[in-house]
Amino acid sequence: DTGVSQNPRHKITKRGQNVTFRCDPISEHNRLYWYRQTLGQGPEFLTYFQNEAQLEKSRLLSDRFSAERPKGSFSTLEIQRTEQGDSAMYLCASSLGGTQYQETQYFGPGTRLLVL
Amino acid sequence: DAKTTQPTSMDCAEGRAANLPCNHSTISGNEYVYWYRQIHSQGPQYIIHGLKNNETNEMASLIITEDRKSSTLILPHATLRDTAVYYCIVRVGGSSNTGKLIFGQGTTLQVKP
Repeated sequence: DTGVSQNPRHKITKRGQNVTFRCDPISEHNRLYWYRQTLGQGPEFLTYFQNEAQLEKSRLLSDRFSAERPKGSFSTLEIQRTEQGDSAMYLCASSLGGTQYQETQYFGPGTRLLVL
Repeated sequence: DAKTTQPTSMDCAEGRAANLPCNHSTISGNEYVYWYRQIHSQGPQYIIHGLKNNETNEMASLIITEDRKSSTLILPHATLRDTAVYYCIVRVGGSSNTGKLIFGQGTTLQVKP
């Protein structure tokens, strides 16, 4: 399967703990996006990478959140000192970049986080 | 990016065509119309996109009005597996921008036997 993969698929943690999620984009896709989706809402943009450079961050991304894409391949999203309001589905998407068809974003299955 | 307006929910009989409307009256000349769907508890799935002309692929057809202020996604023969939330999104094309997608509430399509 050459789609976007995310790990873990589910995470339950206690308030105040740190969590880290991983996203493996489609091979050779140079653009990578993180979104967050809460129950009953559409996904909301968090941050965007072009290769290893983080080029845009949403105001939703508080200082407890950090994302990296060290070698321009996989990406990690870390949440420090989790709060119950962080409970959500965290989605990763990638695109090749370039022409209109290469800009199409393909999403992974998501990581569902529950903070107790 | 332009805002879109979609009905909250729609029903469709299995085997019939599902026509999902979307209004995007403030769309700009360089903005594309994208459609995604999300089946319960899964990541969004890309369906189709277009700029001015009608588009068709193996999943659906996209009809864009001549003034580009609205569009319709057509699933020609809906099945129970097409039950999902359908999102209509407009976004600026070109490699010079981030390409982030701004999702609205979408349309919940219920396909009934």
